Amino acid sequence: AQRVTQPEKLLSVFKGAPVELKCNYSYSGSPELFWYVQYSRQRLQLLLRHISRESIKGFTADLNKGETSFHLKKPFAQEEDSAMYYCALNESGGSNYKLTFGKGTLLTVNP
Amino acid sequence: DGGITQSPKYLFRKEGQNVTLSCEQNLNHDAMYWYRQDPGQGLRLIYYSQIVNDFQKGDIAEGYSVSREKKESFPLTVTSAQKNPTAFYLCASIMEPGGSSGNTIYFGEGSWLTVV
Repeated sequence: AQRVTQPEKLLSVFKGAPVELKCNYSYSGSPELFWYVQYSRQRLQLLLRHISRESIKGFTADLNKGETSFHLKKPFAQEEDSAMYYCALNESGGSNYKLTFGKGTLLTVNP
Repeated sequence: DGGITQSPKYLFRKEGQNVTLSCEQNLNHDAMYWYRQDPGQGLRLIYYSQIVNDFQKGDIAEGYSVSREKKESFPLTVTSAQKNPTAFYLCASIMEPGGSSGNTIYFGEGSWLTVV
């Protein structure tokens, strides 16, 4: 069973438009969720994590335990946001750190 | 220059041969991970190691083996038993599993393995 679901493989928006990348998870414990980003020809890197409640590059993500979601949002997309985005879940908790990734969403921001 | 290094970047293997991918980190990180990245599949965990001389199977460990004899090294062997080994392999590490909110998992640049 898929523990992290990203329903959209591809998402295309125009520059300046709002963007939302969806992520749903399945986990019985207290989840620890992340968004990772992979720009073209670069390493996979952390974008943000839910426990720090921060905004990185204009992106935010709120953990909704009722809906088991952790959607990534940005009010005004930029061309440089075009990348592959992965939602990830630390499903083991505690000291046994095991990240499970979704299948990813390729975001394209058109000029 | 601190970081996590994978080698080789590109590797060709004949069917029936074992091949070992190297992953080295000089970040003094405790935990290391191997993922496989396939188009449309995302990243799938192969093996991970929280501490030297210990490792656990991930979701797709069949046909793979690892060792963790040194803290800085976590090589992955793709054996001939792996039925579909052609893929992009990513190594990652984290300093302190379950640590503070400042803890981040770092990824290598990856290794492309092609079976010919």
